[in-house]
Amino acid sequence: QKEVEQDPGPLSVPEGAIVSLNCTYSNSAFQYFMWYRQYSRKGPELLMYTYSSGNKEDGRFTAQVDKSSKYISLFIRDSQPSDSATYLCATSGGYNKLIFGAGTRLAVHP
Amino acid sequence: GAGVSQSPRYKVAKRGQDVALRCDPISGHVSLFWYQQALGQGPEFLTYFQNEAQLDKSGLPSDRFFAERPEGSVSTLKIQRTQQEDSAVYLCASSRNIAQETQYFGPGTRLLVL
Repeated sequence: QKEVEQDPGPLSVPEGAIVSLNCTYSNSAFQYFMWYRQYSRKGPELLMYTYSSGNKEDGRFTAQVDKSSKYISLFIRDSQPSDSATYLCATSGGYNKLIFGAGTRLAVHP
Repeated sequence: GAGVSQSPRYKVAKRGQDVALRCDPISGHVSLFWYQQALGQGPEFLTYFQNEAQLDKSGLPSDRFFAERPEGSVSTLKIQRTQQEDSAVYLCASSRNIAQETQYFGPGTRLLVL
């Protein structure tokens, strides 16, 4: 079993839709959780960062962490074609080395 | 305002060849990481440097993989006697210090072993 599980999709939604992306993790010791966005043939870029449980909002993006169920989510409101990318959840396991999910490919069509 | 740069961007190697992949981190960043990303997968940790010290190499798949950062800035990942299963994108990331959670990634080197 992988330490971080993520449905690879692909996910296709119309412009303006609310997108929900999810991951589960296995180690209750994980404290830091991140969402990265990766465009084709580019490196991942940090989108959201949260510590422990709770919500964090940044513009159209909301990240949620539920440590009791080991579940992390990213919501994208009013999705745009420019949001089309692969979204990677990640957690930090010592020395800040990141443990990633497989990534979910998202396509937002006009 | 340069970010993390990597070279070459693409590398085609014949099986058995040695390759060297270079990473230039953001200036002043103490921590440097290498990740391997197979097609359709998330990045997987290979190794970690704090300045010139390699503190964790637990993710290196075999002794054919070797990384160095001799002066605490530029890093090189070397793969000896490449195999087809080494084909992947190799990503480098740096962060300001050990407590800094934000890692900044380079564009990666896409390695294809024929």
